[in-house]
Amino acid sequence: QLQLQESGPGLVKPSETLYLTCAVSGGSISTNDFYWDWIRQAPGKGLEWIGSIHFRGSAYYNPSLQNRVTIAVDTSKNQFSLRLSSVTAADRAVYYCVRGAENPRGLYDRWGQGTLVTVSS
Amino acid sequence: DIQMTQSPSALPASAGDRVTITCRASQNINTWLAWYQQMPGKAPKLLISRASTLDRGVPSRFSGSGSGTEFTLTISNVQPDDFATYYCQQYKSPPWTFGQGTKVEIK
Repeated sequence: QLQLQESGPGLVKPSETLYLTCAVSGGSISTNDFYWDWIRQAPGKGLEWIGSIHFRGSAYYNPSLQNRVTIAVDTSKNQFSLRLSSVTAADRAVYYCVRGAENPRGLYDRWGQGTLVTVSS
Repeated sequence: DIQMTQSPSALPASAGDRVTITCRASQNINTWLAWYQQMPGKAPKLLISRASTLDRGVPSRFSGSGSGTEFTLTISNVQPDDFATYYCQQYKSPPWTFGQGTKVEIK
């Protein structure tokens, strides 16, 4: 059974860069069948798609965050990562790593448990 | 971006009730719509894709319908495990967007 597990600091200072990784177990990240995405949820709020990456390196980002986001994949470690720069209090959220279908894109069948990131000095 | 609007925001229900949640898209998304269930403190779980296809293992008391811009999720015979928040999501075109959620709560 494929599992995803987020890891990274739970506290980031304003204006700094948030960095999270997602370890994929029970399956390979190097598959043509899936994209690997990040989705976030501010406390008590709805879900916001951040971006996607394919193991071959193709990345897609939400235009609302595109200037600050980088998603990368490390096939040797079977993991992918999220960098979000210049964070503010508005970036406080639970960050989920998810598996998305390659065709059609944007359909999510496996989710990590989520990790809460707080932005505070 | 395609805007997704759910109603109601909260839906009081009793076990055994039949409840319906509506999701409207700001433009035609055909049937590229998914429904997710989120329990408190947990990650969302995929229930339905292509507007009406139940994911593996999802009980048959859940059903989805609709196409174009209007969609519904129905839970017939609500069970205790069904008290949760439900989100619709379009995957017709990026950025993929979600509704604001509907909380099915105990009446």
